[in-house]
Amino acid sequence: EAQVTQNPRYLITVTGKKLTVTCSQNMNHEYMSWYRQDPGLGLRQIYYSMNVEVTDKGDVPEGYKVSRKEKRNFPLILESPSPNQTSLYFCASRGQVLLEQYFGPGTRLTVT
Amino acid sequence: EDKVVQSPLSLVVHEGDTVTLNCSYEVTNFRSLLWYKQEKKAPTFLFMLTSSGIEKKSGRLSSILDKKELFSILNITATQTGDSAVYLCAVSAGGTSYGKLTFGQGTILTVHP
Repeated sequence: EAQVTQNPRYLITVTGKKLTVTCSQNMNHEYMSWYRQDPGLGLRQIYYSMNVEVTDKGDVPEGYKVSRKEKRNFPLILESPSPNQTSLYFCASRGQVLLEQYFGPGTRLTVT
Repeated sequence: EDKVVQSPLSLVVHEGDTVTLNCSYEVTNFRSLLWYKQEKKAPTFLFMLTSSGIEKKSGRLSSILDKKELFSILNITATQTGDSAVYLCAVSAGGTSYGKLTFGQGTILTVHP
């Protein structure tokens, strides 16, 4: 089954404790992206990657890092999480030709 | 800065009504406009529009793009309670920003029986 998986689905952590949210897709898609969703603000793009070792900033990259060492994986790293990073995070992927984007199930992160 | 604005922000209707959701945008190097439906989970894809004036249709949903006036509409006819969701509009940029996707804030549609 074609899918995008994220782990963990829920995470409560404390300020400053480094964390990684994993994202994996099984569709051999070149493009992957991370979004955060906050009430009243819609989905905002954090980072995206056009292919392995190619990443670029979206609209809200501050406080986040990404890496794309393999085509299927695109982890999101918060080196020093802060409460304003409490949000619902989505990973997504799509191919180069068909631009339909597949979203993962979301990760709800709370930073206290 | 790229911008996508949706209106209305929320809408309450009764089953059987027809609704029109609006999306206007200002982006550099427009590539495509996408509509998504989000229920209590991840967004699901509805339509992608790249050319002006060509209607995309799927059942009771249809959408059209006007690249001159920089907007799109999503129509839902004969609404059902299952249409209750947040509808998201997003614009994909091309050129050196290819891959950048800017979303609007969404329209919350509630359909009462």
